[in-house]
Amino acid sequence: DTAVSQTPKYLVTQMGNDKSIKCEQNLGHDTMYWYKQDSKKFLKIMFSYNNKELIINETVPNRFSPKSPDKAHLNLHINSLELGDSAVYFCASSQVAGGPITGELFFGEGSRLTVL
Amino acid sequence: EDQVTQSPEALRLQEGESSSLNCSYTVSGLRGLFWYRQDPGKGPEFLFTLYSAGEEKEKERLKATLTKKESFLHITAPKPEDSATYLCAVQARAGANNLFFGTGTRLTVIP
Repeated sequence: DTAVSQTPKYLVTQMGNDKSIKCEQNLGHDTMYWYKQDSKKFLKIMFSYNNKELIINETVPNRFSPKSPDKAHLNLHINSLELGDSAVYFCASSQVAGGPITGELFFGEGSRLTVL
Repeated sequence: EDQVTQSPEALRLQEGESSSLNCSYTVSGLRGLFWYRQDPGKGPEFLFTLYSAGEEKEKERLKATLTKKESFLHITAPKPEDSATYLCAVQARAGANNLFFGTGTRLTVIP
């Protein structure tokens, strides 16, 4: 059983298109995240949801819109794709949103987005 | 501004050749420091959490240590299956509930 699953694993698309990435976790966690990893392997938080509520929204262009229909799902929709959006996008989940944190994020395998 | 710097960027070791990876950090109050392992084409996998200076954690051939300014990941007698990118991350006490990652050390262990 995959704990955090993302689809699709690969996306190749043209500039200006819109695309979505879906994420599901079966760990029963309350908190889910989207991270972006660039070509230099730098992993940066984009969004975090706790029980369907947005709790972190880093400085990300508003072309990126997360949606959490329930606490097990967090999707990412990207409008008007640009070349600089090319990266690997990771979904993650954790058990605790605040208070003592174990630092244990469970990551999906990533979705590699290539914008041509 | 919170900052995490990992060194070296890449490290090649012969099987059995022990070494250490470094993670230097600057945060406004450290809530925790975390080590992750990332294999090619995969998401990061959690290894350790360290909360305070002097703390140590061990798992198989890996040992993580923490001081007030840096953390080390010691690898004893590595095997080829230890080849991966090792990521360090910090959480600042005053920050939001997210981890700030370094760019990692890419470790290759040669048989």
